Amino acid sequence: AQSVTQPDIHITVSEGASLELRCNYSYGATPYLFWYVQSPGQGLQLLLKYFSGDTLVQGIKGFEAEFKRSQSSFNLRKPSVHWSDAAEYFCVLLYNFNKFYFGSGTKLNVKP
Amino acid sequence: DVKVTQSSRYLVKRTGEKVFLECVQDMDHENMFWYRQDPGLGLRLIYFSYDVKMKEKGDIPEGYSVSREKKERFSLILESASTNQTSMYLCASSSPQTSDNQPQHFGDGTRLSIL
Repeated sequence: AQSVTQPDIHITVSEGASLELRCNYSYGATPYLFWYVQSPGQGLQLLLKYFSGDTLVQGIKGFEAEFKRSQSSFNLRKPSVHWSDAAEYFCVLLYNFNKFYFGSGTKLNVKP
Repeated sequence: DVKVTQSSRYLVKRTGEKVFLECVQDMDHENMFWYRQDPGLGLRLIYFSYDVKMKEKGDIPEGYSVSREKKERFSLILESASTNQTSMYLCASSSPQTSDNQPQHFGDGTRLSIL
């Protein structure tokens, strides 16, 4: 069975510091993975996606993610966090071409 | 840009009422989804539709039904609303083209309170 685990419920970083949000997945076939961001009171916005090819994926807003098959991970990173990055982040697995499995989310707080 | 529009941002209803949440997308997507989002639980799939008049139960379909009479519109129905259905409801759409698996596009959500 497929699953997505985001082990950190809340993370606080200082503005300007680097960020890494963890995501582990379980799936028997080639995974298609996404990261979404949700600002307070808003819908979800796609940050980046991985289907195949380069394991380092660039997204919007300066985010990137690295796919590591050996570790079943797809961690999201940003070298320097801005206050506007405070939001909730979801790691998502696409399976059976039509179905999406969401992690439980990580809330990011940014200290001035 | 894909636009997914949910008819209400905030909705307050009473226990026992029949509640309709409407969602419209403008990109001719085959797939449409209804999720509910609760703190600490992430998004959970209620129902999924892959074509007009076609639907499939998600992880938590109990107490809900859906309707898809037109490709662009997907309605979520709470047959008899209960307080445990107070939640944020998110609609999404996607295209299932396997040559380029498409992400989902989300509406802004409907925050539903059942009193």
